[in-house]
Amino acid sequence: KAGVTQTPRYLIKTRGQQVTLSCSPISGHRSVSWYQQTPGQGLQFLFEYFSETQRNKGNFPGRFSGRQFSNSRSEMNVSTLELGDSALYLCASRPTGTGSNEQFFGPGTRLTVL
Amino acid sequence: ILNVEQSPQSLHVQEGDSTNFTCSFPSSNFYALHWYRWETAKSPEALFVMTLNGDEKKKGRISATLNTKEGYSYLYIKGSQPEDSATYLCAFTGTASKLTFGTGTRLQVTL
Repeated sequence: KAGVTQTPRYLIKTRGQQVTLSCSPISGHRSVSWYQQTPGQGLQFLFEYFSETQRNKGNFPGRFSGRQFSNSRSEMNVSTLELGDSALYLCASRPTGTGSNEQFFGPGTRLTVL
Repeated sequence: ILNVEQSPQSLHVQEGDSTNFTCSFPSSNFYALHWYRWETAKSPEALFVMTLNGDEKKKGRISATLNTKEGYSYLYIKGSQPEDSATYLCAFTGTASKLTFGTGTRLQVTL
């Protein structure tokens, strides 16, 4: 089975721009979560999508949004980029209905905001 | 606000040494405790998912224990090898399915 894939792997943007990151979960996984990691911080939860609906949301401003498509692929959008948005963004998928909470992570997208 | 804390922040051991790390988490509304291994330039890899108080899990030279009543978990590595060098993350899951991560323990094993 192919793992979680994320595109692009690296991205450079300037302040004020917007960016869209993409995540394809493991086949059959319907839940996709997004996390942000900045230097010195642990992985911070952004949001979780399941069956095209946002199920949980972390403590991030409204500039951060996401969506999920019918094939479970998910996108994350950040508008009006700030320097502090420079981070590694990871997505993770998990199977549902199995009782397992194990999440499988992608390789991440490293975003640099100049 | 949920706090998941890990100690030590970093650790430098020699090949063959055994070592252990600590993860503390809220003891209320507990659902699961996860351990991940994260090597540089790779994806975090799940080591263990633990749900029951007193759980002990083992994978090769790595094992973990769980105490949900007092809110801590230990990860042990026996006979560390250079390939064990990585950041070890623990994450807590409460009633929601999101993971709340600690900041990790960075392990470096040298020859």
